[in-house]
Amino acid sequence: QKEVEQDPGPLSVPEGAIVSLNCTYSNSAFQYFMWYRQYSRKGPELLMYTYSSGNKEDGRFTAQVDKSSKYISLFIRDSQPSDSATYLCATSGTALIFGKGTTLSVSS
Amino acid sequence: KAGVTQTPRYLIKTRGQQVTLSCSPISGHRSVSWYQQTPGQGLQFLFEYFSETQRNKGNFPGRFSGRQFSNSRSEMNVSTLELGDSALYLCASSKGGGNEQFFGPGTRLTVL
Repeated sequence: QKEVEQDPGPLSVPEGAIVSLNCTYSNSAFQYFMWYRQYSRKGPELLMYTYSSGNKEDGRFTAQVDKSSKYISLFIRDSQPSDSATYLCATSGTALIFGKGTTLSVSS
Repeated sequence: KAGVTQTPRYLIKTRGQQVTLSCSPISGHRSVSWYQQTPGQGLQFLFEYFSETQRNKGNFPGRFSGRQFSNSRSEMNVSTLELGDSALYLCASSKGGGNEQFFGPGTRLTVL
């Protein structure tokens, strides 16, 4: 079993939709969780950073961690075409461990 | 504040050659980590350097090596290149090797 699993998609939604991106992880010792956004031909950009369980909101983005089910989510409200990118979840062991990324396309 | 820079951005090599990639971290950041990104395996950790010392290493063969200089700039070297080494190589920096890592744009290596 991979340490972090993420549905690769692709996920296509119309502009204005609410997007839900999800990952599961295997090691209950993981405490830090991150979401990165990666545009084509660019490096990943840190989007959200959370510690332990709970929600964190930043503008249109909400990161949610449920440690009981080892499930992490990223919600994007009022999605925009500029949100079209690959979204990578990550957690921290001795190094960052990434999911393979979900490709999101938002059409106008 | 300038971000992480990586040079070169693109590189084409042939099998058996070696290559050196360079990374300049964000000013004040002392930790540099390297990752390999491929469509099949995603982002995989290569190694981390902090204060010129390798602090952590991923599961890659010894052909992959790195170093860090006193100004925190880092280089990684891949010797005896194989076709499977074709990938985007990403460098990330952080202040003290924490979880908030900031990535550079990457070096796209193609091995022919």
